[in-house]
Amino acid sequence: SSELTQDPAVSVALGQTVRITCQGDSLRSYYASWYQQKPGQAPVLVIYGQNNRPSGIPDRFSGSASGNTASLTITGAQAEDEGDYYCNSRDSSGHHHFGIGTKVTVL
Amino acid sequence: QVQLVQSGAEVKTPGASVKVSCRASGYTFSNYGISWVRQAPGQGLEWMGWISAYNGNTNYPQKLQGRVTMTTDTSTSTAYMELRSLIADDTAVYYCARDNYDSSGYLIKNWFDPWGQGTLVTVSS
Repeated sequence: SSELTQDPAVSVALGQTVRITCQGDSLRSYYASWYQQKPGQAPVLVIYGQNNRPSGIPDRFSGSASGNTASLTITGAQAEDEGDYYCNSRDSSGHHHFGIGTKVTVL
Repeated sequence: QVQLVQSGAEVKTPGASVKVSCRASGYTFSNYGISWVRQAPGQGLEWMGWISAYNGNTNYPQKLQGRVTMTTDTSTSTAYMELRSLIADDTAVYYCARDNYDSSGYLIKNWFDPWGQGTLVTVSS
């Protein structure tokens, strides 16, 4: 299956660490990429590959991958990190799939 | 800077077609593909397909085959997405994104960056 499984919601205390996971068979062959989306805005890439951050993305965002699971970790979460986080990967046909998104709430 | 700018909001009646444009700047257009992604109100992201700006090759999901056509105009660095036979469920914000690909590592990397600002398409009678 090319589906990607994400938890629908997670909360984290201000300044603490939160990990968001994404599971799927395609992740054994293709790295996940991660996107942050805030209400009314376009998604923004935060992590791609094993642990690559685009310029402008704070280093509190990190990624990892093992087997069929990809993870996005926010170390020292800030209020501005609230939003929806989507993982994405592709399959051998070149078709892309998104997880359902994880809503991150910073308490 | 690398940027994608999309056309404005559209309102269509059921059965009509819509064509959304995405103008690229700040990079060599033909060196990358463009993917299109849509998001229905309150819902998640749905990948709609990919087009190579180099040779026009396309790849669509089965769900949209026969209803969607993606094209590019390299003279203006613009990508287009046309969706036909619109229904109410096609009401969504449509995004274009530069499709980046790197097969040099242990696993293949394929990511979307940057994204256009989005185009709201409303289908209503």
